[in-house]
Amino acid sequence: AQSVTQLDSHVSVSEGTPVLLRCNYSSSYSPSLFWYVQHPNKGLQLLLKYTSAATLVKGINGFEAEFKKSETSFHLTKPSAHMSDAAEYFCVVSERGYSTLTFGKGTMLLVSP
Amino acid sequence: GAVVSQHPSRVICKSGTSVKIECRSLDFQATTMFWYRQFPKQSLMLMATSNEGSKATYEQGVEKDKFLINHASLTLSTLTVTSAHPEDSSFYICSARDLKAVSSYEQYFGPGTRLTVT
Repeated sequence: AQSVTQLDSHVSVSEGTPVLLRCNYSSSYSPSLFWYVQHPNKGLQLLLKYTSAATLVKGINGFEAEFKKSETSFHLTKPSAHMSDAAEYFCVVSERGYSTLTFGKGTMLLVSP
Repeated sequence: GAVVSQHPSRVICKSGTSVKIECRSLDFQATTMFWYRQFPKQSLMLMATSNEGSKATYEQGVEKDKFLINHASLTLSTLTVTSAHPEDSSFYICSARDLKAVSSYEQYFGPGTRLTVT
């Protein structure tokens, strides 16, 4: 069975400071992992994905994530936050052989000037 | 590429009426489409998986007679909320998997439909 735990429901940062959104997963087999962002009343936009290639994955808008199998983690980072990064972020897992996605509960990123 | 549209983006209907929401893959073919429901400040909950030309598979607890799903072509799936009630008010999001990229398990999401039942 697959599951995802996003460790923080809210993260607050100042503009220009680093962002860290934490995600741990559980999967019986080799997982595919994704980070999606959702702005208010909008659909989901894919930030990046891990599908068993390089463990350090670079995404859009300066975000990146590192797959750490030993820690079952897939944390999302960005060196310098922008005001436009304020949104809800979802960590998502899909297990090989399963067509469905399992979503974390989401982390709201708040960026202050 | 990989664009999914939904129509309408917002709909308000009266209690007891039915509402149809369309989900289209605009530049790819999708044998599988998914319907999600999202309550305010919560995560997405998978309602059902629809495969082109066959009956949808509903998640536990989702009423198949209330949420009718039709996937008649490789680019269109519809969700009909029948006899809508205020508790059906929610944000409905569809997604689709590219027929040519099924091994990646990636889903492309539509912009969502805000349903309000009065």
